[in-house]
Amino acid sequence: DAGVTQSPTHLIKTRGQHVTLRCSPISGHKSVSWYQQVLGQGPQFIFQYYEKEERGRGNFPDRFSARQFPNYSSELNVNALLLGDSALYLCASSGILDTQYFGPGTRLTVL
Amino acid sequence: TQLLEQSPQFLSIQEGENLTVYCNSSSVFSSLQWYRQEPGEGPVLLVTVVTGGEVKKLKRLTFQFGDARKDSSLHITAAQPGDTGLYLCAGGGRWTSGTYKYIFGTGTRLKVLA
Repeated sequence: DAGVTQSPTHLIKTRGQHVTLRCSPISGHKSVSWYQQVLGQGPQFIFQYYEKEERGRGNFPDRFSARQFPNYSSELNVNALLLGDSALYLCASSGILDTQYFGPGTRLTVL
Repeated sequence: TQLLEQSPQFLSIQEGENLTVYCNSSSVFSSLQWYRQEPGEGPVLLVTVVTGGEVKKLKRLTFQFGDARKDSSLHITAAQPGDTGLYLCAGGGRWTSGTYKYIFGTGTRLKVLA
């Protein structure tokens, strides 16, 4: 069975631009979460979506937004990119008990 | 406020030694997860613990959930260089804002020397 997939793998943007990251969950999982991981730190929770509704939100500015589609895939959008947005963006899907299954991540570099 | 504190933060040991990593919180969790992460990759789930006092074994790894479901530990027996990585505990719940969040611990970076 396929695990969580994310695209693109790597991305380079300049300050002020917009970026869209994509995630497909494990088949049968209805919940998708997004995390930001800065080098040397643990993942920080951004959003969780369940059945297309936002279930949870971390402490991130309104420049970050997400949505979940009827097939349970998800997009994370970040507007007006800042240098500090450079990070590994992780997507995870979950079925029960909050157990998160992570994708390989998208490495975003903002110049 | 960091809700999940891990200790130690860094650990460098020789192959064959035993070690224990701790994950502590003042909050009660319905379940806790342990993950291991390699550089540049996503965390990989090791175990989920659900019941207070629960002990789970995964080969040389032993996981324990505290009786009050506020803390957990990971014990590695006879560590090997392949155990090197970042170990993270994590759990979800509704915190002061009332909204749901999934929180990771501060992480323990383990290096096992051959």
